[in-house]
Amino acid sequence: RKEVEQDPGPFNVPEGATVAFNCTYSNSASQSFFWYRQDCRKEPKLLMSVYSSGNEDGRFTAQLNRASQYISLLIRDSKLSDSATYLCVVRTYNNNDMRFGAGTRLTVKP
Amino acid sequence: NAGVTQTPKFQVLKTGQSMTLQCAQDMNHNSMYWYRQDPGMGLRLIYYSASEGTTDKGEVPNGYNVSRLNKREFSLRLESAAPSQTSVYFCASTRNREGTGELFFGEGSRLTVL
Repeated sequence: RKEVEQDPGPFNVPEGATVAFNCTYSNSASQSFFWYRQDCRKEPKLLMSVYSSGNEDGRFTAQLNRASQYISLLIRDSKLSDSATYLCVVRTYNNNDMRFGAGTRLTVKP
Repeated sequence: NAGVTQTPKFQVLKTGQSMTLQCAQDMNHNSMYWYRQDPGMGLRLIYYSASEGTTDKGEVPNGYNVSRLNKREFSLRLESAAPSQTSVYFCASTRNREGTGELFFGEGSRLTVL
């Protein structure tokens, strides 16, 4: 089983739609969680960190469920510019490395 | 602001050839990483360096070596390239040794091994 798993999609949604992605992780010792965004043939960039209490940044909401070991990303009022691959990233306390999911591809259409 | 700089951006090698990917960051970050990205696999960690003078293996270290030359530079070496090493390689850095901060990536190096 992969340490971090995501539904690869693709998710094809119309502009204005609400879309949600989930990510599950296998290591219960994981401590830090992030969502990164990667545009085609570009480097990943941080979208937002995920905090235990959940957090929101504009149209984006991230949630963490430690009991079920998953994190989620909700995008409201989708824009064409949201089209990208969204990567779930998990860090385990005893390791310095950050583990990435394979990514979920989103296409927002007019 | 340069951030994380990787060279070369593109490289074609023949099986058995060696090469070194260079990475430098100008953000005074402590931790540096090398990842490879293959279709459908996401980013997989090859090696990382929590601080100057230390290096550790990640998920897929076989066939690679690294050197943390100083705080700024972290190089990745392929001693005898194989077609399975055809990939996009990303170098990244983060400020603290605990790795809890944001990862900043270079633009990637696209390597093809024939």
